[in-house]
Amino acid sequence: RKEVEQDPGPFNVPEGATVAFNCTYSNSASQSFFWYRQDCRKEPKLLMSVYSSGNEDGRFTAQLNRASQYISLLIRDSKLSDSATYLCVVPNAGKSTFGDGTTLTVKP
Amino acid sequence: ETGVTQSPTHLIKTRGQQVTLRCSSQSGHNTVSWYQQALGQGPQFIFQYYREEENGRGNFPPRFSGLQFPNYSSELNVNALELDDSALYLCASMPGSRQENNYGYTFGSGTRLTVV
Repeated sequence: RKEVEQDPGPFNVPEGATVAFNCTYSNSASQSFFWYRQDCRKEPKLLMSVYSSGNEDGRFTAQLNRASQYISLLIRDSKLSDSATYLCVVPNAGKSTFGDGTTLTVKP
Repeated sequence: ETGVTQSPTHLIKTRGQQVTLRCSSQSGHNTVSWYQQALGQGPQFIFQYYREEENGRGNFPPRFSGLQFPNYSSELNVNALELDDSALYLCASMPGSRQENNYGYTFGSGTRLTVV
């Protein structure tokens, strides 16, 4: 089993839709978590951090469920510009493990 | 504030050769991490340097080695290149020694290495 697992998708949604991605992790010692966004052939960019129950930034909400060991990312009112791959990151003991990402395509 | 810069952007090497990739960290960041990203996969952690010392390593063989300099820039060296080493190599920097302290990474745009 991978340390960090994500549904690869792709998720194809219309503009304005609400979409949610899940990420499960195996290391229960991890305390903080991150979501990154990666556009095609570009570097990952930090989207949000999650270190308690959740975090909200505009249309984006990240939630953490420690008991079930997963984090989620909710995007409301999807825009065309939200099309990208979303990477879940779980740091622990000086090492950060990335999931393989979930691809989102928002269509007009 | 300058971001993370990597060089070269693209590189083609022959199997068995050695390669050195370079990274300048963002101003104020004393930690540099290196990642390998194959097509269709997430970045895989190679190692991390904090104040010139390696303080974390992923599951990569010893032919992957690195350095961090007093100005916090860094090098990734790969010896005896194999075809499977073809990937995007990403450098990331952050302030502080551990991402658990809620500092996110700032990534460079990467070096795309092709081994033929």
